[in-house]
Amino acid sequence: RKEVEQDPGPFNVPEGATVAFNCTYSNSASQSFFWYRQDCRKEPKLLMSVYSSGNEDGRFTAQLNRASQYISLLIRDSKLSDSATYLCVVNRGRVGQFYFGTGTSLTVIP
Amino acid sequence: DTGVSQNPRHKITKRGQNVTFRCDPISEHNRLYWYRQTLGQGPEFLTYFQNEAQLEKSRLLSDRFSAERPKGSFSTLEIQRTEQGDSAMYLCASSLGGGGLVFIEMNTEAFFGQGTRLTVV
Repeated sequence: RKEVEQDPGPFNVPEGATVAFNCTYSNSASQSFFWYRQDCRKEPKLLMSVYSSGNEDGRFTAQLNRASQYISLLIRDSKLSDSATYLCVVNRGRVGQFYFGTGTSLTVIP
Repeated sequence: DTGVSQNPRHKITKRGQNVTFRCDPISEHNRLYWYRQTLGQGPEFLTYFQNEAQLEKSRLLSDRFSAERPKGSFSTLEIQRTEQGDSAMYLCASSLGGGGLVFIEMNTEAFFGQGTRLTVV
């Protein structure tokens, strides 16, 4: 079983729509959680960390459910510039590497 | 530029040749990671260092691959006798991780370099 699983999409949504991505992780020892954004042929860049209490950054909201080993990302009022691949990432902490999902592709359509 | 730097950005090589990539992490970061990414996939872990110690290696890292971080600063990734299947983007990342005997809880992310795109022809 993969460490991190994501629906690859693609998600094609109109401008202004709300879209949600989900991600599950297999190892309960995972301690840190992130959403990264990757534009075509570019390196991944941190979008936001995911905290146990959930967190929001502008139009973006991330949630973590440790019991279900599930992470989500909600994007409200989608912009054309949100078009990218969104990577779910988990880390086991002190001795762990970062594990990436395959990414979910989002295209926001005018 | 104080980010992660990778060189070269692009490399085209003939099958069977050796190639070496370099990564300069963010200066205060003690952890350095190498990943490989192919089209349509997320980055796949290859190896990582805490300071100069190579702590973990993926099964993807065959005998043809070797990585070093001799002084705990920059790192090199060498691929010997390249094969067409080695064609990919090789990404380096660094982070600040807790170390030593005391675990420090920190939710620090990994910062990526722009990658080295390898094409084996």
